[in-house]
Amino acid sequence: EAGVVQSPRYKIIEKKQPVAFWCNPISGHNTLYWYRQNLGQGPELLIRYENEEAVDDSQLPKDRFSAERLKGVDSTLKIQPAELGDSAVYLCASSRRRGQGANEQFFGPGTRLTVL
Amino acid sequence: SQQGEEDPQALSIQEGENATMNCSYKTSINNLQWYRQNSGRGLVHLILIRSNEREKHSGRLRVTLDTSKKSSSLLITASRAADTASYFCATGPYNQGGKLIFGQGTELSVKP
Repeated sequence: EAGVVQSPRYKIIEKKQPVAFWCNPISGHNTLYWYRQNLGQGPELLIRYENEEAVDDSQLPKDRFSAERLKGVDSTLKIQPAELGDSAVYLCASSRRRGQGANEQFFGPGTRLTVL
Repeated sequence: SQQGEEDPQALSIQEGENATMNCSYKTSINNLQWYRQNSGRGLVHLILIRSNEREKHSGRLRVTLDTSKKSSSLLITASRAADTASYFCATGPYNQGGKLIFGQGTELSVKP
């Protein structure tokens, strides 16, 4: 099966500019995750979708970050305006099952964002 | 916030040796998973162990889980240069659906 697709792979912007990342999950996966990974750290969850509903966005800095998953398939994550501290790798992941239980997550290659 | 703490932060071994990485966590869990990340790439799932399991094997991987100590270990036997990567444990908190909380990772270097 095709993996999780993310674009762009790299993005360099100046602070205060907007930026958007796109993710297409594995076909049939109804759960989608956005993570941020800082250098030398593990991924930290930003938002989790079950179909088109955001069921956990407690870690999303809502003053500047927004996300959407229209039609419950692909998703976009936006930052506006970007700050220097937003430089990180943004990972998208998807999984098969919703709700309780153990879910293996499949990760995309990530978007490396550099804010100058 | 990251729940897991991994030990050691970095590990360097020779090809053929075994590598052991440890993970400790804080809250009750449904499951614990281990992922590998090669430089500049996304994470790849290695193995999942449920809270009612104590040990699990997959090829050269062996995972143990001690819920009383809130700890897990990952053993890679007969390591290869291709095992060089960062390894992360991720816990699935109890009653929080499919959420995973990742540790900071162990950077493994296997020298040929």
